[in-house]
Amino acid sequence: DAGVIQSPRHEVTEMGQEVTLRCKPISGHDYLFWYRQTMMRGLELLIYFNNNVPIDDSGMPEDRFSAKMPNASFSTLKIQPSEPRDSAVYFCASRGRGGYTFGSGTRLTVV
Amino acid sequence: TQLLEQSPQFLSIQEGENLTVYCNSSSVFSSLQWYRQEPGEGPVLLVTVVTGGEVKKLKRLTFQFGDARKDSSLHITAAQPGDTGLYLCAGDKTGTASKLTFGTGTRLQVTL
Repeated sequence: DAGVIQSPRHEVTEMGQEVTLRCKPISGHDYLFWYRQTMMRGLELLIYFNNNVPIDDSGMPEDRFSAKMPNASFSTLKIQPSEPRDSAVYFCASRGRGGYTFGSGTRLTVV
Repeated sequence: TQLLEQSPQFLSIQEGENLTVYCNSSSVFSSLQWYRQEPGEGPVLLVTVVTGGEVKKLKRLTFQFGDARKDSSLHITAAQPGDTGLYLCAGDKTGTASKLTFGTGTRLQVTL
């Protein structure tokens, strides 16, 4: 299994631009999570899906953030418009019977 | 407010030393997980403890869940450079492991 695949690995964008982060979970995992990691706040849960349905988005910081899971093998996290304070590493994770598996993350820098 | 506080925040030791990392909370968790994260990668699950007082061993790593399920510890015996990384505890209050709260992290460096 290739694990959880995230793209891109690095993204540098200008303030105000739209950013889309992508995630392919492990096949057969029915939960998908989006986390954000910063030095100041650690790992924070943004939103999670169960069987492609958003269950809890209380961690999404603002309306500028949105997430979708159109099918069991793909999810996106979109930030529009992006701001410098959104700079962080964004992780996608999926969960199966064996527990959580995290992707390698997308390092986002908004300048 | 951080629900899970880890200590110490940073730890630099030499190969062969023993160490203990603590994860404390005022909340009760139905289960607790430990992860190790290396630079440029996501956290990797090491263990899950679910019963108060439970002790699990993974080679040189020993994990314990407090009797009241509010705290946990990770003990590493004879640390090796390969143990270097960020150690994170994560608690589940829901009982379904659908919403983990991560600790503040302990950054460990093991030198030769």
